[in-house]
Amino acid sequence: SQQGEEDPQALSIQEGENATMNCSYKTSINNLQWYRQNSGRGLVHLILIRSNEREKHSGRLRVTLDTSKKSSSLLITASRAADTASYFCATDPNYGGSQGNLIFGKGTKLSVKP
Amino acid sequence: DTAVSQTPKYLVTQMGNDKSIKCEQNLGHDTMYWYKQDSKKFLKIMFSYNNKELIINETVPNRFSPKSPDKAHLNLHINSLELGDSAVYFCASSQESRGYNSPLHFGNGTRLTVT
Repeated sequence: SQQGEEDPQALSIQEGENATMNCSYKTSINNLQWYRQNSGRGLVHLILIRSNEREKHSGRLRVTLDTSKKSSSLLITASRAADTASYFCATDPNYGGSQGNLIFGKGTKLSVKP
Repeated sequence: DTAVSQTPKYLVTQMGNDKSIKCEQNLGHDTMYWYKQDSKKFLKIMFSYNNKELIINETVPNRFSPKSPDKAHLNLHINSLELGDSAVYFCASSQESRGYNSPLHFGNGTRLTVT
């Protein structure tokens, strides 16, 4: 079964508004990472939050992690048209000491209208 | 000075052909990967490779073979291409780490279309 699943699948907002995307996962993790993908480009790493962290900030990005609920959220404040992209969460699974590869969700497509 | 570069960007070919996609990284990373992104944007790992070990995703057909001439390059060779191989293929790299996955640096992808 798929690990990270983002919600919503698509989100459309006006410039200046905040955008919140959620990610749920199933297994224990070492960390959770968020990536952005612009159309026709590769994924770009945004932020990594470790399993023992609850919140992390980077510029206009705020990520939270709730390991008890196996969920994370990405908040983009004061959105801009340039934030239009797909956003993916990726979980780094912890298989009890055995290291696996990052597992990506299907992404949230964010559209920010000027 | 692109960190992870892959060529070609677009590849259109017929069923049954053999093709290769090249990838190079100048980040000094020890680990490289190939990912496949389907039409629904789902990204799935195919291979990971570092100086010591090639890890193959067992769901990948053996028509796909990674080849690494050195730690800065990881090429993907595909034999007997099928229609279902049409997708965007991404190369990525990361620093080697013990016990957890470091952030990935992705190339811009190769859009493969099999007709």
